[in-house]
Amino acid sequence: DTAVSQTPKYLVTQMGNDKSIKCEQNLGHDTMYWYKQDSKKFLKIMFSYNNKELIINETVPNRFSPKSPDKAHLNLHINSLELGDSAVYFCASSQMDQTYNEQFFGPGTRLTVL
Amino acid sequence: GDSVTQMEGPVTLSEEAFLTINCTYTATGYPSLFWYVQYPGEGLQLLLKATKADDKGSNKGFEATYRKETTSFHLEKGSVQVSDSAVYFCALRGYQKVTFGIGTKLQVIP
Repeated sequence: DTAVSQTPKYLVTQMGNDKSIKCEQNLGHDTMYWYKQDSKKFLKIMFSYNNKELIINETVPNRFSPKSPDKAHLNLHINSLELGDSAVYFCASSQMDQTYNEQFFGPGTRLTVL
Repeated sequence: GDSVTQMEGPVTLSEEAFLTINCTYTATGYPSLFWYVQYPGEGLQLLLKATKADDKGSNKGFEATYRKETTSFHLEKGSVQVSDSAVYFCALRGYQKVTFGIGTKLQVIP
């Protein structure tokens, strides 16, 4: 039973295309996140949703648009892909109510823009 | 705002050597502190955590103590194995947000 799953695992596409990454968690958590990890392993928070409401929206280009149809799903749509978007994107989930609750991460989606 | 400062890697050790990865933080309030590990090709997973001052988190031979007076949460292991080769992230969690350090790559050679 995978706790946090992402699809696809690999995504190779041309500049200018539009693509989506999907994330699902079966842990019953109320909060989900998207992170971007660059080639140096630096992890940057992009968005966070709590009970389907956007609560964290870091400085990210408007080409990135998250959507949370329900508490268990958080998708990421990217328009007009650029070379600099190449990275590994991680979805994560946690329960918000206590700071001691850790995050559970998905396996990542490696996006390569050609 | 909150911040985490973590030593830059890579760190290369021989098997059975002692490991320390330094982590210091700045935060308002009373954050919880975490170490996450990322094995090659995988997502991050929790290694250990501590939720208040003087707490010690431990798992798989790794330990870290929440030191409020020095605002530190250094990761230690007495004897590393090749299988410990991974990237280690120190993190703190405040009210809504988790702040991660830059990650320290550890390579253990036989």
